[in-house]
Amino acid sequence: GENVEQHPSTLSVQEGDSAVIKCTYSDSASNYFPWYKQELGKRPQLIIDIRSNVGEKKDQRIAVTLNKTAKHFSLHITETQPEDSAVYFCAASKGGSYIPTFGRGTSLIVHP
Amino acid sequence: EAGVAQSPRYKIIEKRQSVAFWCNPISGHATLYWYQQILGQGPKLLIQFQNNGVVDDSQLPKDRFSAERLKGVDSTLKIQPAKLEDSAVYLCASSPGLAGLFQETQYFGPGTRLLVL
Repeated sequence: GENVEQHPSTLSVQEGDSAVIKCTYSDSASNYFPWYKQELGKRPQLIIDIRSNVGEKKDQRIAVTLNKTAKHFSLHITETQPEDSAVYFCAASKGGSYIPTFGRGTSLIVHP
Repeated sequence: EAGVAQSPRYKIIEKRQSVAFWCNPISGHATLYWYQQILGQGPKLLIQFQNNGVVDDSQLPKDRFSAERLKGVDSTLKIQPAKLEDSAVYLCASSPGLAGLFQETQYFGPGTRLLVL
């Protein structure tokens, strides 16, 4: 089955800095890679996703890049703000089975 | 558009007791998922339904966990008997369930926080 590794487990940055979270996956057939933000005690919420037919996607301060050859994808947050503090999860899945596998999460702390 | 609804929000039981969780997906969503999220970990898929049929339940501990989705709308997840290690947040999610090459966006409910003493 699919295996998703996520790093780092904790990331501490100063307000205004950039943050990068990386994930690797094992199944080359995976073709959908969403990122979720989960604030303490709340539900995971989709913040951005990328499909295997594109290499990069951007939405305001958030971007995701995908390297299919190396089987890794990354979340980039620029100009971080204290409200970006949360746990971020990456996931990978493929069409047909639609069974998503999540990473273990990255706790992002943005210091004001 | 109303989101995914779950109840109860919190549940405290003793080990060996039974518990049931309820989920109402977004209207019209054919695919429904149950996840277990243990503290400090990512969600782990327990079971996936497409309408009222099971797509995957390979990670569901079938000796104690059961789930059903009668009529292809609401779903219930049951644990009987509960163990200490079942303490977790149980998340329900839904997606449109359209056939296609790519996965679809999942929308999560608020979760049910279970504590087994």
